[in-house]
Amino acid sequence: EAAVTQSPRNKVTVTGGNVTLSCRQTNSHNYMYWYRQDTGHGLRLIHYSYGAGNLQIGDVPDGYKATRTTQEDFFLLLELASPSQTSLYFCASSERQGGERLFFGHGTKLSVL
Amino acid sequence: GQQVQQSPASLVLQEGENAELQCNFSSTATQLQWFYQSPGGSLVSLLSNPSGTKHTGRLTSTTVTKERRSSLHISSSQTTDSGTYLCAIDRGTGGYKVVFGSGTRLLVSP
Repeated sequence: EAAVTQSPRNKVTVTGGNVTLSCRQTNSHNYMYWYRQDTGHGLRLIHYSYGAGNLQIGDVPDGYKATRTTQEDFFLLLELASPSQTSLYFCASSERQGGERLFFGHGTKLSVL
Repeated sequence: GQQVQQSPASLVLQEGENAELQCNFSSTATQLQWFYQSPGGSLVSLLSNPSGTKHTGRLTSTTVTKERRSSLHISSSQTTDSGTYLCAIDRGTGGYKVVFGSGTRLLVSP
């Protein structure tokens, strides 16, 4: 079973703060994704990547940067955090695009005060 | 508008009853998946079913692509089935963008 590990599990920051969420997958998947989950909106795609150095824009990218440093590691950056970014963030990976199973991490709960 | 709509929003059952969850989507989907999310937990893929009927254990999914709808049937529900069930489609628009519904929250009581 593919393993996707997110860190930290919980994070509290203040408005204007700088936050980096980390994700590592250990099954050599090509695709990695960052989602946020909010009540009433389900999961929404922020950014995704199909390999080291690649970045694709998702559906709600404003206020977020991302970087895929290696095949295993995908980071989500909030450079000026705002209270509207308080959410549950999930990282996921899949082997190929087009319907392959998504494997999710356990999530990072971020609170921006 | 919302591309993936799920119903009902919540469902309460007695253990042993069957559950029927619905997913309707407004755009063409090249793939459809059902996920389970435990309370406060991560998501696990249950079934990939872009068309037709698929079974796994007590789960049966039926997708009618032309009508843009899918259902998930859970037979003989158990308390451990409690959680949120999410439907997701891959729009296949040239990039890999999986779009999720808001989910159906299922509570199975003993």
